[in-house]
Amino acid sequence: GAVVSQHPSRVICKSGTSVKIECRSLDFQATTMFWYRQFPKQSLMLMATSNEGSKATYEQGVEKDKFLINHASLTLSTLTVTSAHPEDSSFYICSASLYNEQFFGPGTRLTVL
Amino acid sequence: LAKTTQPISMDSYEGQEVNITCSHNNIATNDYITWYQQFPSQGPRFIIQGYKTKVTNEVASLFIPADRKSSTLSLPRVSLSDTAVYYCLVGLRNAMNTGFQKLVFGTGTRLLVSP
Repeated sequence: GAVVSQHPSRVICKSGTSVKIECRSLDFQATTMFWYRQFPKQSLMLMATSNEGSKATYEQGVEKDKFLINHASLTLSTLTVTSAHPEDSSFYICSASLYNEQFFGPGTRLTVL
Repeated sequence: LAKTTQPISMDSYEGQEVNITCSHNNIATNDYITWYQQFPSQGPRFIIQGYKTKVTNEVASLFIPADRKSSTLSLPRVSLSDTAVYYCLVGLRNAMNTGFQKLVFGTGTRLLVSP
């Protein structure tokens, strides 16, 4: 089956720094990828849709200047959390579509101190 | 996007059949129904997908009535390792049928399987 990877799996950073999370489709090309955020004991919340070669589409309430998304190639999308604060600590998950399935990455645990 | 409603939690014992029902009253004609499983600190994993009637694979069955306003995920003979959160989603395939337009997750059902 199709595989989506994320890097890093865990990251701890100081408040005010920026963190980049990579999402890769390992064995298929994905023109569209999605970024989700999940707080403990809660469901996944869609943050944005990442489109290769164009600007991302953000969901209502998600700050585009804080969560920068770049989809420079058909196999890579990046999410940069800028000037991270403790409230940004969460589990970030990406996904990519192939045929009639949506494949999810393993997630990235971000902890902001 | 169609909103889904599921029970918040369910309990079961090893070896039992578990049926989780999802309501999606506003499902659109072109929406498909997909179920995912998620373990703690992992990304969701695809279980099964269907459009109408019944779909079965090696891990589950999906029952969809004619009006498609609900669906039931059936897990035969659950084991302890089936303890997870199960999400029901409805989504519209994109125009080229190469994937889905954005998927919106509901609350999910937390299944606890006990010995």
